[in-house]
Amino acid sequence: GAGVSQTPSNKVTEKGKYVELRCDPISGHTALYWYRQSLGQGPEFLIYFQGTGAADDSGLPNDRFFAVRPEGSVSTLKIQRTERGDSAVYLCASSLYSGTGELFFGEGSRLTVL
Amino acid sequence: QKEVEQNSGPLSVPEGAIASLNCTYSDRGSQSFFWYRQYSGKSPELIMSIYSNGDKEDGRFTAQLNKASQYVSLLIRDSQPSDSATYLCAESNAGNNRKLIWGLGTSLAVNP
Repeated sequence: GAGVSQTPSNKVTEKGKYVELRCDPISGHTALYWYRQSLGQGPEFLIYFQGTGAADDSGLPNDRFFAVRPEGSVSTLKIQRTERGDSAVYLCASSLYSGTGELFFGEGSRLTVL
Repeated sequence: QKEVEQNSGPLSVPEGAIASLNCTYSDRGSQSFFWYRQYSGKSPELIMSIYSNGDKEDGRFTAQLNKASQYVSLLIRDSQPSDSATYLCAESNAGNNRKLIWGLGTSLAVNP
């Protein structure tokens, strides 16, 4: 596609529920990143994929968070047993190759946990 | 802990003026620096990247990097109301461009 596409754009869920957020990167971009951003803060790194493998998942806050990219394109961020503190905008970005900080971001998925 | 610091603002400038945004960083190993613009309710958008000491110009934007003093700045000439946004500074170590370290951003308001 023309840009990074994220769905859903908004998700409201109840505490304890399971959530999936999807990212479709720019065609041909091999690197994919998940960040999250709270109001008034800069983006917080979560995980980075090079191809199908998670090259760096050191930013995932705990084991409730998991992400996959099975075919090296679309990625899904999965959050189990959601907590109110998980509420944020989850941003996906892609880049043409690994090792560049020149990222193209999607419009984000706003997650609200009640 | 590696940090990137920015004045949160808001920085207010009149239309047509030069807006100067500053960023300092703590990691002397930082090699790559980026300025992203973020409109309210939107996602960050890359404005400039700079890797070497000195100035880099792109249209109305000039990025300046001084590694000895550990600061990077962004100048916006002939500021327009459409430049009103939050400007995020980010940096990375040469060995880890995958994980950018971000500042909190500076809010810029350009007044007509």
